Amino acid sequence: NAGVTQTPKFQVLKTGQSMTLQCAQDMNHNSMYWYRQDPGMGLRLIYYSASEGTTDKGEVPNGYNVSRLNKREFSLRLESAAPSQTSVYFCASRKDSYEQYFGPGTRLTVT
Amino acid sequence: EDQVTQSPEALRLQEGESSSLNCSYTVSGLRGLFWYRQDPGKGPEFLFTLYSAGEEKEKERLKATLTKKESFLHITAPKPEDSATYLCAVQATGFQKLVFGTGTRLLVSP
Repeated sequence: NAGVTQTPKFQVLKTGQSMTLQCAQDMNHNSMYWYRQDPGMGLRLIYYSASEGTTDKGEVPNGYNVSRLNKREFSLRLESAAPSQTSVYFCASRKDSYEQYFGPGTRLTVT
Repeated sequence: EDQVTQSPEALRLQEGESSSLNCSYTVSGLRGLFWYRQDPGKGPEFLFTLYSAGEEKEKERLKATLTKKESFLHITAPKPEDSATYLCAVQATGFQKLVFGTGTRLLVSP
């Protein structure tokens, strides 16, 4: 099992450009999550999907959209990137109410 | 508002020097407290889940304990390979979300 995979690993965008971060899990988990991690701020939840077909806002959803494409895949889209969105983005998945498993992260720089 | 505070922010130990990391939390009703390890440039790696006060979990040199207000991660006779950032998170009853602390950076010198 690959666990949680994320693409791309690194990305540099100019202000105003758009992009989609991809996440997939092969553990048959129901719930999936997108976090961002910034120095001194800890992991902050952007959006989550409790089950296929549902999505909900987390703590910092502004400037982002998500799509739960199927049970395996959960994508995060930046429509018009801003320098404040420079961060490391992590996808995670969880079965029921147990622990979350994280992907390796995407390091995004917006100039 | 649910909150997690970890201390110290950074800790430097000599190999074999045991110590503890602290995670203080306030939550409306605790569903679970989670410990993760994060290496530089990688995603958090799950270590333990604790569900109720008095519970303890162990894995190699690590032991996690839980009270009604805080959790401790005890590291016994650490090795350099235990160097990492250790993250604590809580989940409130009835909620999907985890609230994370900012972590403790541990450096173990040979």
